[in-house]
Amino acid sequence: TQLLEQSPQFLSIQEGENLTVYCNSSSVFSSLQWYRQEPGEGPVLLVTVVTGGEVKKLKRLTFQFGDARKDSSLHITAAQPGDTGLYLCAGVWNAGNMLTFGGGTRLMVKP
Amino acid sequence: DAGITQSPRHKVTETGTPVTLRCHQTENHRYMYWYRQDPGHGLRLIHYSYGVKDTDKGEVSDGYSVSRSKTEDFLLTLESATSSQTSVYFCAIRVSGSPHTEQFFGPGTRLTVL
Repeated sequence: TQLLEQSPQFLSIQEGENLTVYCNSSSVFSSLQWYRQEPGEGPVLLVTVVTGGEVKKLKRLTFQFGDARKDSSLHITAAQPGDTGLYLCAGVWNAGNMLTFGGGTRLMVKP
Repeated sequence: DAGITQSPRHKVTETGTPVTLRCHQTENHRYMYWYRQDPGHGLRLIHYSYGVKDTDKGEVSDGYSVSRSKTEDFLLTLESATSSQTSVYFCAIRVSGSPHTEQFFGPGTRLTVL
């Protein structure tokens, strides 16, 4: 079983602050995805990273895949209340058909 | 939303009763998945399907069965519900042509087993 550990589990910050969420594993993943989930809804795909060392930006969100493809990070610059939600990383192992999800990071951004 | 609906959206049932949850998609995607979401566990795969009548087990399949008799419908059945199966259940489809198993999720079904 491939495990993904996310940290921190909870994060409460003020509007305007920066933050980083981490997703770590002992396994090498073919690719890794980040999802965001709001209360009462299903997760929504934000980004997929595939190549070791890859960096992708989505407005104020920066995603990085580790060189060894075992870890990833999500950095949010100048967080806004609209960024509040549950952030989930999910990995694909051996180019398969299933996703393995991390436990999630619940972010609250206070105005 | 990739045309995914789940029914019912909320259900309360008693221990020992059978429960069936339905996932319906309108875009003819081959792969469909059932997950459960519990605090601190992210999403855990229960079963998935890679075509009509083709299904496979996921990480937490015990106590659950699935069926897919039509491309558009994927049913999840709890033969005899237990309190440990109280959870939020999500259906997902794999984006057709995606090489990286990217998925779109339905809105979820909140199941409470008393």
